[in-house]
Amino acid sequence: DSGVTQTPKHLITATGQRVTLRCSPRSGDLSVYWYQQSLDQGLQFLIQYYNGEERAKGNILERFSAQQFPDLHSELNLSSLELGDSALYFCASSVVSNYGYTFGSGTRLTVV
Amino acid sequence: AQSVTQLGSHVSVSEGALVLLRCNYSSSVPPYLFWYVQYPNQGLQLLLKYTTGATLVKGINGFEAEFKKSETSFHLTKPSAHMSDAAEYFCAGGDRGGSEKLVFGKGTKLTVNP
Repeated sequence: DSGVTQTPKHLITATGQRVTLRCSPRSGDLSVYWYQQSLDQGLQFLIQYYNGEERAKGNILERFSAQQFPDLHSELNLSSLELGDSALYFCASSVVSNYGYTFGSGTRLTVV
Repeated sequence: AQSVTQLGSHVSVSEGALVLLRCNYSSSVPPYLFWYVQYPNQGLQLLLKYTTGATLVKGINGFEAEFKKSETSFHLTKPSAHMSDAAEYFCAGGDRGGSEKLVFGKGTKLTVNP
């Protein structure tokens, strides 16, 4: 157990639907990062939150949004889902990035 | 912008043989560098990291990596492969003093043959 908890582990949904992925960071970590892992694109950075505030944005689609709550857990919202959104979505947390991230076990999203 | 390149998407070795996984970075300022391992259906686990100081970094499970500024490389090695080392390995880099995000290479899948 890495200390980063992601739920659900698996999600199957239809095109056009909306889903919410949840992440609880490791105790004491203020930063949360979301990554998308697909076979063709590899690990792509989506967004970072630090202590409730958006810190950095990567290749995140406008249909996707995220937030970090006062208790530091984070949610990634994916809407108007397309087949191409099927991927593994990882959450990671850190105190500071130069120490490396701690990853959760991921949510596997399948859009049918 | 920071980029990380892993040479070889698949590497196959025999059990007991040397493991060498290659990683090069592209940055005018040497970044923080990391190696992660991902076992099937699991998240990424930190193997080792280079931030500052000694250029030869030792990690978990007998792995080590050497930062070579002149070659902009951070190759991962293990003297003797074990069947349990079969996994996918990712090299990642983070900018010093810049964005806190890590940029990952495409990954190298290591197969260990008996």
